[in-house]
Amino acid sequence: DTAVSQTPKYLVTQMGNDKSIKCEQNLGHDTMYWYKQDSKKFLKIMFSYNNKELIINETVPNRFSPKSPDKAHLNLHINSLELGDSAVYFCASSQVATGTTEAFFGQGTRLTVV
Amino acid sequence: SQQGEEDPQALSIQEGENATMNCSYKTSINNLQWYRQNSGRGLVHLILIRSNEREKHSGRLRVTLDTSKKSSSLLITASRAADTASYFCATDARGSNYKLTFGKGTLLTVNP
Repeated sequence: DTAVSQTPKYLVTQMGNDKSIKCEQNLGHDTMYWYKQDSKKFLKIMFSYNNKELIINETVPNRFSPKSPDKAHLNLHINSLELGDSAVYFCASSQVATGTTEAFFGQGTRLTVV
Repeated sequence: SQQGEEDPQALSIQEGENATMNCSYKTSINNLQWYRQNSGRGLVHLILIRSNEREKHSGRLRVTLDTSKKSSSLLITASRAADTASYFCATDARGSNYKLTFGKGTLLTVNP
């Protein structure tokens, strides 16, 4: 069973389009994250939700909107895609209530904007 | 600003040799973690060391933490070709709302 699963794995789309990436975790964790990894492999946090509440919102364009319908899901919607949005997006989860930030990552969604 | 910086950026060794990677960070932390990322895959947690710990072992992995120097090292002993991957340190800074900040990573290549 996949602990953190995100779909799709690959996404190729044109500039200006709107797209969504979905993430689900079956670990019962209370916190979920979205990270962006650029072409130089630099991994930067975008958002974090704890028990469905947004607790981290880094300097991310308003075109990116996360949504957490429940503790097990965290989706990412991106409006008006730009070339610079091309990257690998990772979803992750952790159980911070136990005092740890050990994160479990999904396999990533490689987004290519053309 | 970026919290962790790994050194070296790339490391190439022969199977059986030891590999040492270093990480430096800037602010006070709750803990420091190391992750591995195989090409085209997600990150996998390797080991966590708390700010009040100085050394930790897990199998062939040994992690040290020096909070006075704000640095950590990851030692992989008796390396194998399967250890080829990128290795990242990540810090959980105090008051950061459980935010993990990653370094740029070290690309380790273990040649058979």
